[in-house]
Amino acid sequence: KNEVEQSPQNLTAQEGEFITINCSYSVGISALHWLQQHPGGGIVSLFMLSSGKKKHGRLIATINIQEKHSSLHITASHPRDSAVYICAVRSPFKAAGNKLTFGGGTRVLVKP
Amino acid sequence: NAGVTQTPKFRVLKTGQSMTLLCAQDMNHEYMYWYRQDPGMGLRLIHYSVGEGTTAKGEVPDGYNVSRLKKQNFLLGLESAAPSQTSVYFCASRSDRFPEAFFGQGTRLTVV
Repeated sequence: KNEVEQSPQNLTAQEGEFITINCSYSVGISALHWLQQHPGGGIVSLFMLSSGKKKHGRLIATINIQEKHSSLHITASHPRDSAVYICAVRSPFKAAGNKLTFGGGTRVLVKP
Repeated sequence: NAGVTQTPKFRVLKTGQSMTLLCAQDMNHEYMYWYRQDPGMGLRLIHYSVGEGTTAKGEVPDGYNVSRLKKQNFLLGLESAAPSQTSVYFCASRSDRFPEAFFGQGTRLTVV
């Protein structure tokens, strides 16, 4: 079993719909990251969370440390939100570089 | 605001050839990482560095070497390229003070 599991793997939505991507992890972490990757593009950090909830524009990220679960929500989705969204957890072990372990990504397609 | 810059962006190698990928960051970050991204496997850590002059192995280090002679640069070397090293390579950096991860734009490497 992977240490970081994302669901769903693929998601298609109509423009304007509310989107939720889930991330569950099985290891201790110091923080959780949500990343965005457009086709053929680089990787951009959207959020870094260690507790609670963060909001940036139409994006909301939440984390429940006790349940080892995080969600990324996209409100009023738009075709430009089409991308792969990646969850990554940061190791609490500084001597090992506080390494990131990545989920497999969720491919989101928003149709106009 | 260059951030993290990877050179080159694309490269085709013949089996057995060698090459070096350069990652440069201008944010004075202590930590630097090299990942590879393969379809269906997510991002996997190759090598990392917690500071100038130090490097360590990640999950998939075989066939790669790294060096961090200057704090701002992290080099990834392939001594004898193999088709299994065909992948997209990403460099990332972060600091303790601002632990958000910054990624380069990626290097698409094909070994034929």
